[in-house]
Amino acid sequence: DTGVSQDPRHKITKRGQNVTFRCDPISEHNRLYWYRQTLGQGPEFLTYFQNEAQLEKSRLLSDRFSAERPKGSFSTLEIQRTEQGDSAMYLCASSRMGPRVAKNIQYFGAGTRLSVL
Amino acid sequence: GIQVEQSPPDLILQEGANSTLRCNFSDSVNNLQWFHQNPWGQLINLFYIPSGTKQNGRLSATTVATERYSLLYISSSQTTDSGVYFCAVTHSWGKFQFGAGTQVVVTP
Repeated sequence: DTGVSQDPRHKITKRGQNVTFRCDPISEHNRLYWYRQTLGQGPEFLTYFQNEAQLEKSRLLSDRFSAERPKGSFSTLEIQRTEQGDSAMYLCASSRMGPRVAKNIQYFGAGTRLSVL
Repeated sequence: GIQVEQSPPDLILQEGANSTLRCNFSDSVNNLQWFHQNPWGQLINLFYIPSGTKQNGRLSATTVATERYSLLYISSSQTTDSGVYFCAVTHSWGKFQFGAGTQVVVTP
């Protein structure tokens, strides 16, 4: 169990550029979540997957945001045409849910800190 | 959606002191977790506690689900306990709703 891994840890970009973040969940976990956290606030839910299916998206997720989990393993979060308001910590979490597992304990990665100049 | 309120928002403790952090939530939940966010931003799982009481070293937690609150106790605090403590809940087996956190500073 190597934990949830996120890459990169930090990203600095100019307004208008596209950025992509990657999350590798804990290997046996079928659920993967993306959250966004701004300074002084708690994390806010963005979207989550069960295997490769995207089950829910927050209204926070504008058309500029897209997330994928093509093979039900790692996931990517892309932000197109970045704006200064996108500056935040982007957190990924994973959990294992199923007929015999009814706890949904989420484990978080270290996050990707995005700064849009 | 479900509302989560944490109190106090800030807490300054002297090393060795005890403290209690509170989390109120507005609806029934089937999952409640406490996290510690360290200065580097990593969220560390402390407890999975939708009901009942658990202890782990100097930390313990109690959730009274019928009254919609949870408490996190820190005893004999150490400087390494500094950081932000979050309560997160869900009633849909899906996404978490986080509180705004309690910022804890433990001074030597």
